Amino acid sequence: AQSVTQLGSHVSVSEGALVLLRCNYSSSVPPYLFWYVQYPNQGLQLLLKYTTGATLVKGINGFEAEFKKSETSFHLTKPSAHMSDAAEYFCAVSDRSSASKIIFGSGTRLSIRP
Amino acid sequence: EADIYQTPRYLVIGTGKKITLECSQTMGHDKMYWYQQDPGMELHLIHYSYGVNSTEKGDLSSESTVSRIRTEHFPLTLESARPSHTSQYLCASSEYPPTVNTEAFFGQGTRLTVV
Repeated sequence: AQSVTQLGSHVSVSEGALVLLRCNYSSSVPPYLFWYVQYPNQGLQLLLKYTTGATLVKGINGFEAEFKKSETSFHLTKPSAHMSDAAEYFCAVSDRSSASKIIFGSGTRLSIRP
Repeated sequence: EADIYQTPRYLVIGTGKKITLECSQTMGHDKMYWYQQDPGMELHLIHYSYGVNSTEKGDLSSESTVSRIRTEHFPLTLESARPSHTSQYLCASSEYPPTVNTEAFFGQGTRLTVV
């Protein structure tokens, strides 16, 4: 069965600092991987996705993530945090063969300190 | 513009009432989902559908039911609401089978409070 683990339910960084949100997955086959962002009282918006090809994926708002098969990881990074990045971030995985479900991690709340 | 819509955005209702949360998408997606999001923000899949007349239960047991009579419409019903049903409900859709677009698109959610 697939699963997603996000380390750290709450991450706080200073404005301008590096953002690193961790995600590890468990899957018997190479999965599709996603990062979503959720602002207060909103639905989820796709930040980026990995399906195939280049393992470093660039998304919206300056975020990127790298698929590392050997580490079963898909960590999200941004070189310089902005106040507007404060939100809830979710890592998700989908089975490549069946694409039957999209399973989400428990989420990481990102806070930005002025 | 292709999108996914949920109504109502907010609902406060008394215990024992029957409610239906609406979800419609104009993207022509066959796959649709309902997630329940608890106060800790974790998302739990409660129902999904592969297309018309297809409904499947998700990973989290739910007293709600769903129907899929039309491709674009995937309503969720609670026959008798209880305070334990208080939560945010998120509807999503995706292509099936997935091609290049493998991701799910989400509605803005319905925040349900049962008093």
